[in-house]
Amino acid sequence: DTAVSQTPKYLVTQMGNDKSIKCEQNLGHDTMYWYKQDSKKFLKIMFSYNNKELIINETVPNRFSPKSPDKAHLNLHINSLELGDSAVYFCASSEGGAQETQYFGPGTRLLVL
Amino acid sequence: QKEVEQNSGPLSVPEGAIASLNCTYSDRGSQSFFWYRQYSGKSPELIMSIYSNGDKEDGRFTAQLNKASQYVSLLIRDSQPSDSATYLCAVLLTGGFKTIFGAGTRLFVKA
Repeated sequence: DTAVSQTPKYLVTQMGNDKSIKCEQNLGHDTMYWYKQDSKKFLKIMFSYNNKELIINETVPNRFSPKSPDKAHLNLHINSLELGDSAVYFCASSEGGAQETQYFGPGTRLLVL
Repeated sequence: QKEVEQNSGPLSVPEGAIASLNCTYSDRGSQSFFWYRQYSGKSPELIMSIYSNGDKEDGRFTAQLNKASQYVSLLIRDSQPSDSATYLCAVLLTGGFKTIFGAGTRLFVKA
């Protein structure tokens, strides 16, 4: 009974391709996030959605476009993939508010060749 | 630019010892602080959260917060080899919704 799930878990693709990662949470949370973790393990927030509305949009190339069709889903589409996009992408969710424990998905390991 | 700083380590301690992990943060208005553990190849999972100055204990783990010094720490008593992981300090910035993570401290517990 997975709380936060992501698909696919692994993604190997060529430069210039377009790919999507999907995320679903069954915790009933209002807030969802996308994080990028690079090879040095630094976890950096990319986007945050609250009740399907974009709340945080960090300095991320506009090749990255999140979409939240409903509160339980947050997808990430990446256009024109570059070598530097290779990383682990984590989806997370939280109730929001001041005591904001985040629950992470298993991650999607993206390798751009 | 709000920051969270941690010593990247690695920190190596013998089994049974106390491991001490430290973190400083720059956002003076932050009220919520977290320690996450991340095993290699896995996703981060919450170990402790702390919101008030002082100590908070949960089993072998104790989180300490000093808002005046902008300092958070995590103590792991009776360290076990299974505690070997990267520990991420996280701070929820003023205004909510945005959590900043430190780069993590790698901990090795030697049997």
